[in-house]
Amino acid sequence: DAKTTQPPSMDCAEGRAANLPCNHSTISGNEYVYWYRQIHSQGPQYIIHGLKNNETNEMASLIITEDRKSSTLILPHATLRDTAVYYCIVSPDYQLIWGAGTKLIIKP
Amino acid sequence: GAGVSQTPSNKVTEKGKYVELRCDPISGHTALYWYRQSLGQGPEFLIYFQGTGAADDSGLPNDRFFAVRPEGSVSTLKIQRTERGDSAVYLCASSEGTSSYNEQFFGPGTRLTVL
Repeated sequence: DAKTTQPPSMDCAEGRAANLPCNHSTISGNEYVYWYRQIHSQGPQYIIHGLKNNETNEMASLIITEDRKSSTLILPHATLRDTAVYYCIVSPDYQLIWGAGTKLIIKP
Repeated sequence: GAGVSQTPSNKVTEKGKYVELRCDPISGHTALYWYRQSLGQGPEFLIYFQGTGAADDSGLPNDRFFAVRPEGSVSTLKIQRTERGDSAVYLCASSEGTSSYNEQFFGPGTRLTVL
């Protein structure tokens, strides 16, 4: 079973920051937090991952709480093309256990 | 460059038939993964290859499912005596290695429908 809890759906206005929460209260010390997204009818796409520190790349920022029990994925300026299912996953290695994710809908 | 490709994109078969699904990973990627995704759910891990060998096949649901990667590149997922419950999208992914920082690159999937 997935070790993460995410809201099933969220809305965000185009151009605004989208903040997607994830709870992983049972995370182990060697487990990373990964975020992937899946646009309708496509394969999943890697977004970002982190262990303890906050991370940023060209797609998003990942904020991990100090106790590592939760995290937030931030899409700084959401566009309509960011509408997708976003998956938060914790894993120490290659085996990714996926939950149902959050369906993010960006509205014009 | 070319991403992960999967063929066919759609496969319709009858209950009891045998099917093969093909995955072409990104050139040079040593790790290859198969997942299965049912409607409204996240992908479910099936098997992982490191090179030619299946390093972890713990996700294969039963012995009707088998996968090979004979030359360490292309992989084929084989399903014998298909059942209606096998209907799903089968996803393939590859990565440079299996370290935690190796992102997995996914193909578009093969949609299998068993009538």
